[in-house]
Amino acid sequence: EDKVVQSPLSLVVHEGDTVTLNCSYEVTNFRSLLWYKQEKKAPTFLFMLTSSGIEKKSGRLSSILDKKELSSILNITATQTGDSAIYLCAVDNAGNMLTFGGGTRLMVKP
Amino acid sequence: DAGITQSPRHKVTETGTPVTLRCHQTENHRYMYWYRQDPGHGLRLIHYSYGVKDTDKGEVSDGYSVSRSKTEDFLLTLESATSSQTSVYFCAISRGGPVFFGPGTRLTVL
Repeated sequence: EDKVVQSPLSLVVHEGDTVTLNCSYEVTNFRSLLWYKQEKKAPTFLFMLTSSGIEKKSGRLSSILDKKELSSILNITATQTGDSAIYLCAVDNAGNMLTFGGGTRLMVKP
Repeated sequence: DAGITQSPRHKVTETGTPVTLRCHQTENHRYMYWYRQDPGHGLRLIHYSYGVKDTDKGEVSDGYSVSRSKTEDFLLTLESATSSQTSVYFCAISRGGPVFFGPGTRLTVL
């Protein structure tokens, strides 16, 4: 059974801090790993990673995949209150289906 | 945002009644999915479709059926709703890369 585990479960930081969110996976047929941000509504897509060691970056957010360690990290620098959300990691098992982790709840205090 | 609409957006129904949720996309994406999201369980795949009239079961398909008679529409039916099906239901679409989510339907079964 495919499995995706995220850590920490929750995190409280202050504006300006840098945070690192972790995702580890066990899947039978890895194709890609995806990160999503979920505020009060639907998850919104952040990154898709397929190759190990190549960083994807968008503004203050960046992510990298380590296929040897079966893991990925999502970094957010200079956090803002608007970054408060649940961050979801998901893995595509080459069947065009995603298995999601339980998410990391991030709260950024002013 | 990704050209996906769900209807209804909120529904309250009684145990034992049939319920149909509709997902409509304007993106002409091949793959469509139904997920449910519950506290403590995260996002779980109910059913998915890889083309018109081609559907398959996901992780939590018991008590649900789906139909896809047109590329743009994917229906989820609860034949006889139970309280355990109270949840937020997300439709999602994909071309085979990132999966994009609809706004969600909040279903309450009393």
